[in-house]
Amino acid sequence: QSVLTQPPSASGTPGQRVTISCSGSSSNIGSNSVNWYQQLPGAAPKVLTNSNNQRPSGVPDRFSGSKSGTSASLAISGLQSEDEADYYCAAWDDSLNGWVFGGGTKLTVL
Amino acid sequence: QVQLVESGGGVVQPGRSLRLSCAASGLPSRSYGMHWVRQAPGKGLEWVALMSYDGTKKYYADSVKGRFTISTDNSKNTLYLQMNSLRAEDTAVYYCAKDQGGGSDGMDVWGQGTTVTVSS
Repeated sequence: QSVLTQPPSASGTPGQRVTISCSGSSSNIGSNSVNWYQQLPGAAPKVLTNSNNQRPSGVPDRFSGSKSGTSASLAISGLQSEDEADYYCAAWDDSLNGWVFGGGTKLTVL
Repeated sequence: QVQLVESGGGVVQPGRSLRLSCAASGLPSRSYGMHWVRQAPGKGLEWVALMSYDGTKKYYADSVKGRFTISTDNSKNTLYLQMNSLRAEDTAVYYCAKDQGGGSDGMDVWGQGTTVTVSS
């Protein structure tokens, strides 16, 4: 059972906008920034949004992160077939004194 | 450009030890926190350990506390994970990752991973 809660799956058609949610608590998302990671099949994770909610160079502006209270979201606009991957949220947890990840969301492009 | 290359994975019996290495290149020395993150077969990501940018603070997931130790050899630009009393549930791909800042900003560069299998 992950500390951060994500839906196990999401889907959309090419060109569509999809959002992936990440729910936490006051000790993690509520008081710290959230990072989002993309993991393509068979590859290492790659950061999509960093602690300043910014996209590292090379990440398309179709990806954007947001946070409200103890929840965060990753929005992907103009969905493309190459976006089919697993997506993870992560945050520092002040109570656990460590990093926590969401369980991951498998995105399918129909 | 920062590059991280893990090594040291393999098949090990339960209760035995293994040491993973992560060689870093293109990284300003001791400017960033460094993490170990693992992924069991078919499962999600699990954070394992963090060493702060100056090496003075170390944090561990409850699942490995007391069994795993994170350390560095600055002269070799290498991060280590000493894993003792290994269990079947430690079977995973282990990634090292650089933190964006001192350790609480999140992982921004990842290695390709090294596979550890704990089995008799």
